[in-house]
Amino acid sequence: GAVVSQHPSRVICKSGTSVKIECRSLDFQATTMFWYRQFPKKSLMLMATSNEGSKATYEQGVEKDKFLINHASLTLSTLTVTSAHPEDSSFYICSARIPGSGGKNIQYFGAGTRLSVL
Amino acid sequence: ELKVEQNPLFLSMQEGKNYTIYCNYSTTSDRLYWYRQDPGKSLESLFVLLSNGAVKQEGRLMASLDTKARLSTLHITAAVHDLSATYFCAVDSLWGNEKLTFGTGTRLTIIP
Repeated sequence: GAVVSQHPSRVICKSGTSVKIECRSLDFQATTMFWYRQFPKKSLMLMATSNEGSKATYEQGVEKDKFLINHASLTLSTLTVTSAHPEDSSFYICSARIPGSGGKNIQYFGAGTRLSVL
Repeated sequence: ELKVEQNPLFLSMQEGKNYTIYCNYSTTSDRLYWYRQDPGKSLESLFVLLSNGAVKQEGRLMASLDTKARLSTLHITAAVHDLSATYFCAVDSLWGNEKLTFGTGTRLTIIP
């Protein structure tokens, strides 16, 4: 099946630094990728939709300048958490939509990145 | 705003028993997805339900969709310990922008 690689799996950083998370589709081209955030024991909250070659679409309440998304190629989307603070600590998950799936919104998920900001 | 609720939030059951997880959603949709998440891991796709009356089965899990009632169920038959995980349903938005709205999740613990 389709594979989505997310890196790093875990990152610990100091407050005020920036962290970049990569999401790659390994065996298919993904024009659309999604970034989610998950708090402990909670559900997934969509942060933004990443579109190849265009600006990301952010959900209401998500700071665009805080969470920078770049989708420069058909196989790579990146999420940069700028000037991270302890409240940004969370589990971040990306997904990629399978192209040509028609009415089926088939998404494959990365392994997730656990961010801890000290 | 599309809302997706699951019931129960927590479920502890003995091996060998049967149980059902319910997923209710607030607006019309005919595309519903079930996922499994193990602790500290990402999501694994279980079922894709695309029409009213759709029923899919894999092993001890069976999922169904009633779009008129805006309800999906995930039925567990003769539970085994390996099924312990958190299960999420997710519903597609209606506006063609491919957004998934996830349910609250059901944490299932199977007791030997």
